[in-house]
Amino acid sequence: EIVMTQSPATLSVSPGERVTLSCRASQSVSSNLAWYQQKPGQAPRLLIYGASTEATGLPARFSGSGSGTEFTLTISSLQSEDFAVYYCQQYNNWPQTFGQGTNLEIK
Amino acid sequence: EVQLLESGERLVQTGGSLRLSCAASGFTFSNYAMSWVRQTPGKGLEWVSTISGSGATTFYADSVRGRFTISRDNSENTLSLRMNSLRADDTAVYYCAKCHHYGSGHLESWGQGTLVTVSS
Repeated sequence: EIVMTQSPATLSVSPGERVTLSCRASQSVSSNLAWYQQKPGQAPRLLIYGASTEATGLPARFSGSGSGTEFTLTISSLQSEDFAVYYCQQYNNWPQTFGQGTNLEIK
Repeated sequence: EVQLLESGERLVQTGGSLRLSCAASGFTFSNYAMSWVRQTPGKGLEWVSTISGSGATTFYADSVRGRFTISRDNSENTLSLRMNSLRADDTAVYYCAKCHHYGSGHLESWGQGTLVTVSS
């Protein structure tokens, strides 16, 4: 099973700041990596797939990069609605696996 | 617009069985694989199972293999998850999700989730 490790677990930032979230795979997943955003009481929402392709309607401040085992999600200027938990997921191998999440909270 | 509507909250005893359903609309259901993902209260996400568009191919997490069965009815646009021999650690919110393509891929759309509570 591929283990996905996200860092940091919690990130306290101020609105307007630029943030970078990290996701590392225990073995290569090529570019088969997705990022999801989850707000309290809601289902996850797809943000990025194929490591760097934005989902339809995603604000331009979100971007993804990486391949193989190292991936990042960048939010260029945090808005109030961006405070949430972010998960990465690999779908290159079975079983598909998720990272433990990064909680982005307001400083 | 893609819509995925899971069945409502369920409470079941340890060792019992349960069938979850997910009604899909807004897309050609048979063209896409579908998945179940669960989330333990306060914890992260765990992939549970995926079924191909035709239903011919299925995949399971080790934690549920042999106890859970995923199925689909393409004439009714419905996804199901039959859950047997339920344990306390199966307690979670269960989400159905539309995969990116016929075989699998990332999870494009998610239902609102249904809480399953397994208690003695």
